[in-house]
Amino acid sequence: DAGVIQSPRHEVTEMGQEVTLRCKPISGHNSLFWYRQTMMRGLELLIYFNNNVPIDDSGMPEDRFSAKMPNASFSTLKIQPSEPRDSAVYFCASSLGLIYNEQFFGPGTRLTVL
Amino acid sequence: TQLLEQSPQFLSIQEGENLTVYCNSSSVFSSLQWYRQEPGEGPVLLVTVVTGGEVKKLKRLTFQFGDARKDSSLHITAAQPGDTGLYLCAGAFSGAGSYQLTFGKGTKLSVIP
Repeated sequence: DAGVIQSPRHEVTEMGQEVTLRCKPISGHNSLFWYRQTMMRGLELLIYFNNNVPIDDSGMPEDRFSAKMPNASFSTLKIQPSEPRDSAVYFCASSLGLIYNEQFFGPGTRLTVL
Repeated sequence: TQLLEQSPQFLSIQEGENLTVYCNSSSVFSSLQWYRQEPGEGPVLLVTVVTGGEVKKLKRLTFQFGDARKDSSLHITAAQPGDTGLYLCAGAFSGAGSYQLTFGKGTKLSVIP
């Protein structure tokens, strides 16, 4: 029974490079969330989708960040150009609906920007 | 932006001891969730509380939602090494077609055998 799948698990890149993080939600879930976790700021919601439509992207830190969900089984979070302060663990989560529903988190992508 | 404060930030106790961690905000939540996160993994939901004053039990864990729906506590009885992890509370705000979930920074619990 596959949970949320994220790739890659680890990414090390140099400042200025483009980074693409990928997520496959649990089949049948219609809501998808992207989070960023750091020691300083904790777990922050970046953007979420409902039925493949972006609903709220107010957590996206800058225009360098963008997210897409072309279909119900795939989403990407792209950073272009990347900066050292983007280093963090990025989580994708999915749920069946929004209100009161459990969010199932993937294992995360640990991003290091040198 | 609604803020959630969790306390204590770190807690180290001996196996068998009891403990309580807290989650506080100045805002009223539609619901509140507690998650546990282990190193290298994503958070896993423990419980969702919705009604002010609600108490839920999950084996040795007792969760309480404040009457005003602004705060919550998690009490663990007879802690075990398997309880070690980062405990996160998350407050949900919903209405008018919008939804927002805000996480606290967590309480890092270490249970020493």
